[in-house]
Amino acid sequence: DIQMTQSPSSVSASVGDRVIITCRASQGISSWLVWYQQKPGKAPKLLIYAASSLQSGVPSRFSGSGSGTDFTLTISSLQPEDFATYYCQQANSFPLTFGPGTKVDIK
Amino acid sequence: EVQLLESGGGLVQPGGSLRLSCAASGFTFGSYAMSWVRQAPGKGLEWVSSISGDGVKTYNADSLRGRFTISRDNSKNTLYLQTNSLRADDTAVYYCAKNDVATSLFDCWGQGTLVTVSS
Repeated sequence: DIQMTQSPSSVSASVGDRVIITCRASQGISSWLVWYQQKPGKAPKLLIYAASSLQSGVPSRFSGSGSGTDFTLTISSLQPEDFATYYCQQANSFPLTFGPGTKVDIK
Repeated sequence: EVQLLESGGGLVQPGGSLRLSCAASGFTFGSYAMSWVRQAPGKGLEWVSSISGDGVKTYNADSLRGRFTISRDNSKNTLYLQTNSLRADDTAVYYCAKNDVATSLFDCWGQGTLVTVSS
């Protein structure tokens, strides 16, 4: 199975800050990496697919990069509605696996 | 607009069974693979099972050890998850998710249904 790790596990940031979250796969997954955003009590929402492609309707302040085993999600200027938990997921092979999540909260 | 509406969750005793349903609308259901993902209280996301659009291929998390079965009825635009031999650690919100075309990523999620396993 492919293990996914994320860092940091949580980050405190202010509105306007640049936030970078990293995700690492235990083996190469090419660009089969997805990012989701989840707010408390809500279902996850797809943000980025294929490591760097922005899902329709997602603000351009979100961006993704990486390939192989190392990936990043960047929020260029944090907005109040961005405070949430972010998960990466590998879509390369079964069993599908998620990272443990990164909680972004208000500083 | 794509909509996924789960139902069937509830309180069940250890060892019991539940059948979860997910009613889909707003897209050609049979053209897309579908999946179940669960989330234990205060924990992260865990993939449970996926099924191809035609229902022929299914994939399951090894940790379930055959206790859960995914299926679909394309004539009813409905996805199912039969859960058997439930244990306390199966307590979670179970989400139905639509797979993006020909991929294993989830581009639309339902609101979830809570399964609580407790005596």
